[in-house]
Amino acid sequence: SYELTQSPSVSVSPGQTASITCSGYKLGEKYVCWYQQKPGQSPMMIIYQDNKRPSGIPERFSGSNSGNTATLTISGTQAVDEAEYYCQAWDSSTDVVFGGGTRLTVL
Amino acid sequence: QVTLRESGPALVKPTQTLTLTCTFSGFSLNTRGLCVSWIRQPPGKALEWLALIDWDDEQYYTTSLKTRLTISKDTSKNQVVLTMTNMDPVDTGTYFCARMNFHSENDEGYLDYWGQGALVTVSS
Repeated sequence: SYELTQSPSVSVSPGQTASITCSGYKLGEKYVCWYQQKPGQSPMMIIYQDNKRPSGIPERFSGSNSGNTATLTISGTQAVDEAEYYCQAWDSSTDVVFGGGTRLTVL
Repeated sequence: QVTLRESGPALVKPTQTLTLTCTFSGFSLNTRGLCVSWIRQPPGKALEWLALIDWDDEQYYTTSLKTRLTISKDTSKNQVVLTMTNMDPVDTGTYFCARMNFHSENDEGYLDYWGQGALVTVSS
C-alpha cells in the first residue's frame, strides 16, 4: 500500500518561512493536496493539484511537488497559521492516502 | 453553497454496528467527478480515510477495514450512509464526511468541502 510520510513537527518564528514536507515513492508523479486543521475544527483544503490555492486562501500558502517530496511553504508565517497540516494524494492501489500530519508551531 | 453534516449516535457499545449519515447540499452526487468520502480521526491522532462513493455508485474502501464497512447513497435525499460493523473502543474518534472532486484522467482526488464531524465513542 502507498504511504505518505510527514515530519511530526515544525517550528517557525513569526514572519519567517515555514516548510512542511511530505514524502512518498514517486510522489512527484501524483497530485498532492494539503489540509490545515486547527484544534476542534474540521480540516480545510489549502492547496490542491500540488500548487493551486482555493478561493480565500492567502497567497502566503504555496505548494510544490517533485521527485519523492511535496512541500507546503508558508511565507511570512503568522500566529494564526499555527495548526496541524496534512498532505493527501490519490493512489491507484490505496485510493485516498493521508500523511501522518505535521504540527506547525509559531514561536 | 456546499454544506455537509454528519449525524449518528454519539455512543455505541462494543460489537454493535455504527450507522452514520452524511446529509449534503449545494451539489448533486449524480454529477460526474463528484464523490462523498468518510474520514475518521481518533482523539489526538491523524486523519484516516475510510470509504468513498462516486457519482456512478462505485464504492472504494480502505483495505484494513474493508470487511467492516459499507457505503451507500440516496441521491434523492442527498445523503450518504456509512455502516461499520463490530465496533471496538479503538474505533472511537471523530468521523467526517467530505466532498471529493475526482479527476480520473489525472488520477487525482481532493476533499474540498468537509462536514463539522461527529464524535463517536465506543464504550460499554
